[in-house]
Amino acid sequence: KQEVTQIPAALSVPEGENLVLNCSFTDSAIYNLQWFRQDPGKGLTSLLLIQSSQREQTSGRLNASLDKSSGRSTLYIAASQPGDSATYLCAVRSGSARQLTFGSGTQLTVLP
Amino acid sequence: NAGVTQTPKFRVLKTGQSMTLLCAQDMNHEYMYWYRQDPGMGLRLIHYSVGEGTTAKGEVPDGYNVSRLKKQNFLLGLESAAPSQTSVYFCASSYSVQRSSYEQYFGPGTRLTVT
Repeated sequence: KQEVTQIPAALSVPEGENLVLNCSFTDSAIYNLQWFRQDPGKGLTSLLLIQSSQREQTSGRLNASLDKSSGRSTLYIAASQPGDSATYLCAVRSGSARQLTFGSGTQLTVLP
Repeated sequence: NAGVTQTPKFRVLKTGQSMTLLCAQDMNHEYMYWYRQDPGMGLRLIHYSVGEGTTAKGEVPDGYNVSRLKKQNFLLGLESAAPSQTSVYFCASSYSVQRSSYEQYFGPGTRLTVT
């Protein structure tokens, strides 16, 4: 059974800092990995999707890496802003129906 | 193009009552999913469907039933609600044959409270 772990559970940083969120998964037989952002009381917004054959994906100030063999992914956020404050969820896609298995998330607070 | 929509947005039920949550997508996706999210946790898969007329159990299916009579709709039913089913429910869809992509798109969620 696939299990996804995210560390840390919560993170508070001053504005302008670069930061890294970590995600690990137990079964390396994945199709892809997706990072989401969730604002309080809201739905999920997809940030980046990395296919199993890729090593990283970039979108603006966000960079996600994938090391499938070691079961790890990182989300790098450059020059953090208060508007980046949210919960970040990592999810891996596996199984016959390509369903997602989610981590518990990292709650990020960027202080002005 | 509305993406994934969910009805209703909020609902309060008494223990033992029944209800149906509706999910609709307009992206011609083959796969649809129902997840629940409890405080401090990630999403857990309840049921999913890989095509019209098909359904399958996910990680936490007990107490729920689903139906997919039309490709664009996926219904989640609670026959006899229990306080343990108080949660936020998210619907998602994925897989476009034309785009050959499995990226999942999520609805805004339904907040359900069972008293």
